[in-house]
Amino acid sequence: DAGVTQSPTHLIKTRGQHVTLRCSPISGHKSVSWYQQVLGQGPQFIFQYYEKEERGRGNFPDRFSARQFPNYSSELNVNALLLGDSALYLCASSLLQAVAKNIQYFGAGTRLSVL
Amino acid sequence: EDKVVQSPLSLVVHEGDTVTLNCSYEVTNFRSLLWYKQEKKAPTFLFMLTSSGIEKKSGRLSSILDKKELFSILNITATQTGDSAVYLCAVDWLGGTSYGKLTFGQGTILTVHP
Repeated sequence: DAGVTQSPTHLIKTRGQHVTLRCSPISGHKSVSWYQQVLGQGPQFIFQYYEKEERGRGNFPDRFSARQFPNYSSELNVNALLLGDSALYLCASSLLQAVAKNIQYFGAGTRLSVL
Repeated sequence: EDKVVQSPLSLVVHEGDTVTLNCSYEVTNFRSLLWYKQEKKAPTFLFMLTSSGIEKKSGRLSSILDKKELFSILNITATQTGDSAVYLCAVDWLGGTSYGKLTFGQGTILTVHP
């Protein structure tokens, strides 16, 4: 079975532009979460979606938004890019059932560079 | 405020050595603690711990959780060069979300020399 897939793998943008990152979860997983990982740090929670509704949001500005589609894939949008948005953006999917089964599996990420 | 702290931040050892990685946490409504290995990009799942005192094992790796003292350790015995990676500790907790979120530590960079 395919794991979590993300596209694109790399992206270069300039300040002020917007970007859309995409994620397809593991088949059967209905929950998708997004994380930002800055070099040298652990991933930081941005959003969680379940059944197409936002279920949690981290401490990120309103420039960050996301949505989940009927097939459970997801998009992360970032507007008015800043240099500080340069990071690896990770998507994770999970079954979101009982705690013991709520393991998040990660994709390879999208490396975003803002110039 | 949620907080996950890992130590050491980096570690250099030789093949065959045994290493212990530490993770302490301060969160409310704790659900589980997870360990991941990150080699290049995608963190890969190693262990999930929900109960104190029960050791999880997978080959040369093992982990245990102490919910009273709020910490976990990850042990790797007989290290190999392929163990070189960043090891991430994450806590799943109900912090302002309906379904739990992961808060990660900074990670421990493990380098294993031949």
